[in-house]
Amino acid sequence: NAGVTQTPKFQVLKTGQSMTLQCAQDMNHNSMYWYRQDPGMGLRLIYYSASEGTTDKGEVPNGYNVSRLNKREFSLRLESAAPSQTSVYFCASSEIRTLSSYNEQFFGPGTRLTVL
Amino acid sequence: KNQVEQSPQSLIILEGKNCTLQCNYTVSPFSNLRWYKQDTGRGPVSLTIMTFSENTKSNGRYTATLDADTKQSSLHITASQLSDSASYICVVSAIGAGGFKTIFGAGTRLFVKA
Repeated sequence: NAGVTQTPKFQVLKTGQSMTLQCAQDMNHNSMYWYRQDPGMGLRLIYYSASEGTTDKGEVPNGYNVSRLNKREFSLRLESAAPSQTSVYFCASSEIRTLSSYNEQFFGPGTRLTVL
Repeated sequence: KNQVEQSPQSLIILEGKNCTLQCNYTVSPFSNLRWYKQDTGRGPVSLTIMTFSENTKSNGRYTATLDADTKQSSLHITASQLSDSASYICVVSAIGAGGFKTIFGAGTRLFVKA
């Protein structure tokens, strides 16, 4: 099992360009997440998908869109990249067993994005 | 406001020594607390998970403690190794009417020197 995979690993964009970050998991998890990680800050949730066919905004959704293509894949799109979106992006997945149970998230290796 | 504060920001220790990392949180209603290890250039990997009723959990040389009354947790690393050099992230989850909310601390950067 590969776990959670992300592509690309690195990307440099110019301001205004668009791109899609890809994420796939092979653990048959229902829930998937996109986070960004900036220096000196904790991971911040951009969007999440509790189950196939649903997506919801997280803490910092502005400037991003997502697509839950199927149970395995969850993509993050930057329509018009801005320097403030320079960050490391992590995709994660989890299996929520019950509302009061553990919600361990398994993370991908990250995509380091620089917007010039 | 839901917050997770970690201290110290960074720490340098010699190989073989022990260390303790701290996490204070104001997240409520509390569901569980996890410690993750994040190697440079990699995604976080879970070390321990504790719910309200658990006050200690071990994973090899890593031992996490939780005091739900004071809203504090610590991660103790015993007999450190060079491979322990990483960021350690405290993550607290709350559950309420709106469902799960997960708050990540900024992490403690640990450097283990030979």
